Amino acid sequence: RKEVEQDPGPFNVPEGATVAFNCTYSNSASQSFFWYRQDCRKEPKLLMSVYSSGNEDGRFTAQLNRASQYISLLIRDSKLSDSATYLCVGVNTGFQKLVFGTGTRLLVSP
Amino acid sequence: EPEVTQTPSHQVTQMGQEVILRCVPISNHLYFYWYRQILGQKVEFLVSFYNNEISEKSEIFDDQFSVERPDGSNFTLKIRSTKLEDSAMYFCASRGTSGRSSYNEQFFGPGTRLTVL
Repeated sequence: RKEVEQDPGPFNVPEGATVAFNCTYSNSASQSFFWYRQDCRKEPKLLMSVYSSGNEDGRFTAQLNRASQYISLLIRDSKLSDSATYLCVGVNTGFQKLVFGTGTRLLVSP
Repeated sequence: EPEVTQTPSHQVTQMGQEVILRCVPISNHLYFYWYRQILGQKVEFLVSFYNNEISEKSEIFDDQFSVERPDGSNFTLKIRSTKLEDSAMYFCASRGTSGRSSYNEQFFGPGTRLTVL
């Protein structure tokens, strides 16, 4: 089983829509989780951290459920500029290598 | 704003040749990483480096790979004898332990696209 699994998509949504991505993880060594955003042929960039208590940053809300090993990202009021690949990432203990999911591609259309 | 830089942006090489990919991490960072991403696939961890030595490496990071921090600012990845399957985007990342960097955040460079012919 893959350590971090995501639906690759693509998710095609109109501007203004609300979209949710899910991610599951299997590696108990992952102590922290993040959502990164990656634009085509660019480097991953940190979008937000994920906490059990939930984390909201503007239009973005992330949630971690450790019991179910499940992570979510909700994007409200989608913008064209939100079009990108969203990477679910676990951070392992020790020297904190990042473990990436395959990413979920989002396409926001006018 | 400080950022991680990488050179070259694109490297084309013949199979069997040696390549050196260069990175300049953010200046006050102490932890350094290399990742790679084969086209269409996920980002994969290669190696982490701390206190002038490798702290962790993946199965991908075999004897053909090496890393070095030769002068306190550059962080290099060397592939001794490139294979076709080494073609990928190689990302360098660095992480601090306090101050500007939030806990665990790794900052990525723009990547070097390696093409092995």
